[in-house]
Formats: sequence, structure tokens, C-alpha cells
Amino acid sequence: AQSVTQLGSHVSVSEGALVLLRCNYSSSVPPYLFWYVQYPNQGLQLLLKYTSAATLVKGINGFEAEFKKSETSFHLTKPSAHMSDAAEYFCAVSERTGYALNFGKGTSLLVTP
Amino acid sequence: EPEVTQTPSHQVTQMGQEVILRCVPISNHLYFYWYRQILGQKVEFLVSFYNNEISEKSEIFDDQFSVERPDGSNFTLKIRSTKLEDSAMYFCASSGQLGGAEPSTDTQYFGPGTRLTVL
Repeated sequence: AQSVTQLGSHVSVSEGALVLLRCNYSSSVPPYLFWYVQYPNQGLQLLLKYTSAATLVKGINGFEAEFKKSETSFHLTKPSAHMSDAAEYFCAVSERTGYALNFGKGTSLLVTP
Repeated sequence: EPEVTQTPSHQVTQMGQEVILRCVPISNHLYFYWYRQILGQKVEFLVSFYNNEISEKSEIFDDQFSVERPDGSNFTLKIRSTKLEDSAMYFCASSGQLGGAEPSTDTQYFGPGTRLTVL
């Protein structure tokens, strides 16, 4: 079975600072990994995904993530935080396409002026 | 841009009542899903549906739950006898473009959710 662990339920950064949201996965097969963002009172929006192609994945809104098999990690980063980045971020893993996404507990990102 | 839509946005019901949550997936998608998120908790998978049958379901998806694609556009989740613990946000998602290079395309697109409150 696949699972993800997101370290830190709350992360606070200053506007303009580096954003780093951590995600470690557990999977018995090569995983498909995803980051989704949820703004208040909205649904889940895909930020980026890893599906066994390039290990450094670029997504929307300036976010990127690097798949590191040796560390079983898929951390999300953004060089410079913007106030509009404040949201809940979910890491998810899937065994293969068309199958269930297993989500982490989420990390709430707060961006301060 | 095509999107998944869900109705109603908020449903309030009495314990023991039946509810039907409705979703319109992206029109050329082949895989359909329901997830739920209890307040303050993570998003949990309920069921996936492909080719007019359930392809995968979680332990949460017991006999009280059922899914249906009654026509070419709607995808519904029915809860036969609601319980207090069914109160949650329910998300519909779809994936897999007809005619795409991979029928089971990986990206799942989520709707805005239906907030179900059971009293």
C-alpha cells in the first residue's frame, strides 16, 4: 500500500522567503506523486505531478518539486513566497494511473508580510 | 477550461435520511472518483468508477454507499441512511481522456465539493 507523510501541519514564511513543504512517501512500486493546493472554501487544484519522467518537476505558480528515490521524498519548493500562496497543500501518491490517490494530512502555509 | 462541477454546494439532512450528491465530470473523461474530507482531516478516497462499474473502493465505502452514472454526463454518490459521522466535504474527480495517448491519464481533476451536514 502507498502512503505519504507530510512533516509539519503548519508552516509560516515571510513574503519573499523560500517555501519548503516536506513530503515523504512509502510505496512498494514506483510511485506516481502529486501536490495539490486547496484555497479556503475551494476544491483541490493540481500544482504538479511526478510520473516517472524528469525527477525535477515544475508546476504552476512558480512551484517545483524534486523526486528523490534514495530519500523517498517529494518536497515542494518555491523560491519566493507570495501572499496569495497562503493555502492548504496536500501531497498524494498513487500506485498507478486511474487508481486512488492517497493523501497526506496536509500542510497549512501561512505567508506573513 | 473544462471543469468538474458538483451540486449542491451544501446539503443539510437529518440522520437516517438518504442523500444523493451529484457531479458532472469533465466531458471526455473516463475515470470517475469520490473522495471525502472530514473537517480538519485529510482527504480520503471512497470509490473509483470506470466503464460503468466500480474499479476500486476503500473500506469507508460500505453498503450504505452507492455510485451511479445514470446518463452520459452525471455521476452520483448516494448515501442510503446518513449518520452523524458522514458529515464531511465530498469531492468528485475525473481523469483519463477519451482518445488520449493513455486512457488512464494520471491527473485527477477535482470539483469544488459538496459540504454534507448530518444533524
